Amino acid sequence: RKEVEQDPGPFNVPEGATVAFNCTYSNSASQSFFWYRQDCRKEPKLLMSVYSSGNEDGRFTAQLNRASQYISLLIRDSKLSDSATYLCVGHGSSNTGKLIFGQGTTLQVKP
Amino acid sequence: SQTIHQWPATLVQPVGSPLSLECTVEGTSNPNLYWYRQAAGRGLQLLFYSVGIGQISSEVPQNLSASRPQDRQFILSSKKLLLSDSGFYLCAWSKDRMAFFGQGTRLTVV
Repeated sequence: RKEVEQDPGPFNVPEGATVAFNCTYSNSASQSFFWYRQDCRKEPKLLMSVYSSGNEDGRFTAQLNRASQYISLLIRDSKLSDSATYLCVGHGSSNTGKLIFGQGTTLQVKP
Repeated sequence: SQTIHQWPATLVQPVGSPLSLECTVEGTSNPNLYWYRQAAGRGLQLLFYSVGIGQISSEVPQNLSASRPQDRQFILSSKKLLLSDSGFYLCAWSKDRMAFFGQGTRLTVV
């Protein structure tokens, strides 16, 4: 089983739609999680941190569910500019600072 | 503020040639450093990570190696490139677990 797993998609949604991605992790001892955004042929950029209490930044909401070992990203009122690949990251099982990325979920927002 | 420099941006190398990619970080001390590779349309594969000078952990057995001769310098090397080494190579640093990436090197082995 991969340490961090994501549905690769693609998710094709119309502008204005709400879309949610999930990411599961296998290391129950992992403490910190993040969502990154990667545009085509560019480096990943940090989008937001994920906290147990939930984290909201404008149209984006991230949530951590420790009991089920998954994190989620919700995007409301999708924009064309939201089209990208969204990567989640958690810790490897040795928890020594190793960062393991999911394979990414591709989002295409259509006009 | 912290910055990360990675070069070159693009590289075309023949099969069997050596490789050296360099990454340096400014504005922080004792960061964790990482090398990732991303094949076209695929996810990030962790190749090496380092928690300190001379401390390298290898994730995938292959013909690549990494070194950390200074606190903020991370080098990815190969003695003989294979066609399968083509990809997008990303260096990253982290502290407090958030990672920040260099702009990447797009390597094509021909």
